[in-house]
Amino acid sequence: EAQVTQNPRYLITVTGKKLTVTCSQNMNHEYMSWYRQDPGLGLRQIYYSMNVEVTDKGDVPEGYKVSRKEKRNFPLILESPSPNQTSLYFCASSSEPYNEQFFGPGTRLTVL
Amino acid sequence: GQNIDQPTEMTATEGAIVQINCTYQTSGFNGLFWYQQHAGEAPTFLSYNVLDGLEEKGRFSSFLSRSKGYSYLLLKELQMKDSASYLCAVIGNAGKSTFGDGTTLTVKP
Repeated sequence: EAQVTQNPRYLITVTGKKLTVTCSQNMNHEYMSWYRQDPGLGLRQIYYSMNVEVTDKGDVPEGYKVSRKEKRNFPLILESPSPNQTSLYFCASSSEPYNEQFFGPGTRLTVL
Repeated sequence: GQNIDQPTEMTATEGAIVQINCTYQTSGFNGLFWYQQHAGEAPTFLSYNVLDGLEEKGRFSSFLSRSKGYSYLLLKELQMKDSASYLCAVIGNAGKSTFGDGTTLTVKP
């Protein structure tokens, strides 16, 4: 089944404890992206990747890191999480930037 | 940068037609998408417009006017399951995507 997977789906952590949210797609897509969604707001792009080893900042990259060492994986790293990073995170992929994006199921992160 | 505006909430009656508008101001434009998002779920693709005009797909249609920075999503024969948030998104330069805050549609019997 063609899909985007994210892990973990739910995470409660404390301020300053490094964490990684994994994202993987099995559709051989070139483009991958991370978004956060907060109540009453749409999706805000954190980072995106046009291809392996190519990443660019979205609108809200502060406090996040990403890497794209393989085509299928695009992990999101929070080196020192803070409470303002409490949010719902979505990973997405598409065959190219101008095609529809397929979204993962989301990761609900709470930083205490 | 990109700025996208769409109404926060709309209410319509089952069986009716509803139009959700989206206006945008962008530094680059490579297409406009509409996604549907049910509460607690991931967004799913509805439509894509890159050229001016109307794209029809079953009960859903989407229109684009690039000169006016305007799009709308038209939903016909509304069903209760259409109650969801509808997200307008623009793809700008170099693959950067910007989403509006979404329009929450409530369909009433």
